[in-house]
Amino acid sequence: GEDVEQSLFLSVREGDSSVINCTYTDSSSTYLYWYKQEPGAGLQLLTYIFSNMDMKQDQRLTVLLNKKDKHLSLRIADTQTGDSAIYFCAATYSGAGSYQLTFGKGTKLSVIP
Amino acid sequence: EAQVTQNPRYLITVTGKKLTVTCSQNMNHEYMSWYRQDPGLGLRQIYYSMNVEVTDKGDVPEGYKVSRKEKRNFPLILESPSPNQTSLYFCASSLSGPGAVYGYTFGSGTRLTVV
Repeated sequence: GEDVEQSLFLSVREGDSSVINCTYTDSSSTYLYWYKQEPGAGLQLLTYIFSNMDMKQDQRLTVLLNKKDKHLSLRIADTQTGDSAIYFCAATYSGAGSYQLTFGKGTKLSVIP
Repeated sequence: EAQVTQNPRYLITVTGKKLTVTCSQNMNHEYMSWYRQDPGLGLRQIYYSMNVEVTDKGDVPEGYKVSRKEKRNFPLILESPSPNQTSLYFCASSLSGPGAVYGYTFGSGTRLTVV
């Protein structure tokens, strides 16, 4: 199956940029996602990137994909206190005759005012 | 509003007492899935369903059952709960399954404590 790894914690000052990194093992992963989980809530899809893309920008969010190194990153510009949450990287992989989705363990982002 | 609804949000039960956590979606999604979230272990898939009457095991299915009799509902059944099933449970749905552009829609979670 697929392994998805992320660092567990990140702390940044308000107004700085945050960069959350993720590595995955299955080079055939087609879609890669970033989800956000706020305290007491379920996961919300933040953004996604196709495997044939290198970069995707969406307002304050920039996703970079390095397929050669199987490395995905999420950059949040001008980080705000409302960005404090757990961020999950997820990757699709093909297994047992169907596609599956594997999540990383999540990176807890703490924003210091 | 498009959503996945789980009930209950919180549940404390005793070992061995059968329970059901309900999950319902109003988006006509084909794919539904159950996850448990534990500290340090992230999200682990319990069961998933590609469509009505089609279910399959995820990574941690032991001690759980599911059914998919209707497209909108995907209940999670614990026939004989044990303390190691104490966890935060999430139901999720997707239009067509993993790899869908729109990703998954998650419910708000059910925090289960088995004593």
